[in-house]
Amino acid sequence: GENVEQHPSTLSVQEGDSAVIKCTYSDSASNYFPWYKQELGKGPQLIIDIRSNVGEKKDQRIAVTLNKTAKHFSLHITETQPEDSAVYFCAASISGGNQFYFGTGTSLTVIP
Amino acid sequence: DSGVTQTPKHLITATGQRVTLRCSPRSGDLSVYWYQQSLDQGLQFLIQYYNGEERAKGNILERFSAQQFPDLHSELNLSSLELGDSALYFCASSVGGGGALGEQFFGPGTRLTVL
Repeated sequence: GENVEQHPSTLSVQEGDSAVIKCTYSDSASNYFPWYKQELGKGPQLIIDIRSNVGEKKDQRIAVTLNKTAKHFSLHITETQPEDSAVYFCAASISGGNQFYFGTGTSLTVIP
Repeated sequence: DSGVTQTPKHLITATGQRVTLRCSPRSGDLSVYWYQQSLDQGLQFLIQYYNGEERAKGNILERFSAQQFPDLHSELNLSSLELGDSALYFCASSVGGGGALGEQFFGPGTRLTVL
């Protein structure tokens, strides 16, 4: 099955700096890569996703890049704010498949 | 608010007991997914139902079972509970069969504590 690795497990940045979280996947058939943000006491919430026919996607301060050859994808958050502090999960899924394979999460702390 | 509801929010029980967790998907969503989140394991997919039928099975123990009812709500039954079953259990829903076909919306979770 698919194996998704996520790094780093914890990340602290100063407010206004950028944060980058990286994930690798093992199954070349995976073609859908969502990123979820989980705040304390809440369920994961989709913040951005990318499909394998696209190399980069941006939504305001958040961007995701995908390198299919290297089988890795990254989440970039620019101009970080304290409310960005949360646990972020990457995931991979295969078209036609039903299972999301999640990374182990990155706890991001934005220091005011 | 994702539109997915889960009850109860917290559940405390003893080893050997049986509990039922309930999930109502977003209006119009046909798929329900169950996940277990523990500190050392991250988010683990357990099982998926689509329009009442089991569609995919992940790392679900034989002591656990689930079903999806005609009104599309789902229940996850956990029996012969062990200390290691203590975790957050999330339900998610999607319009279609899942995967690259559509995003999953997560509920707020049920925190299960087994003493």
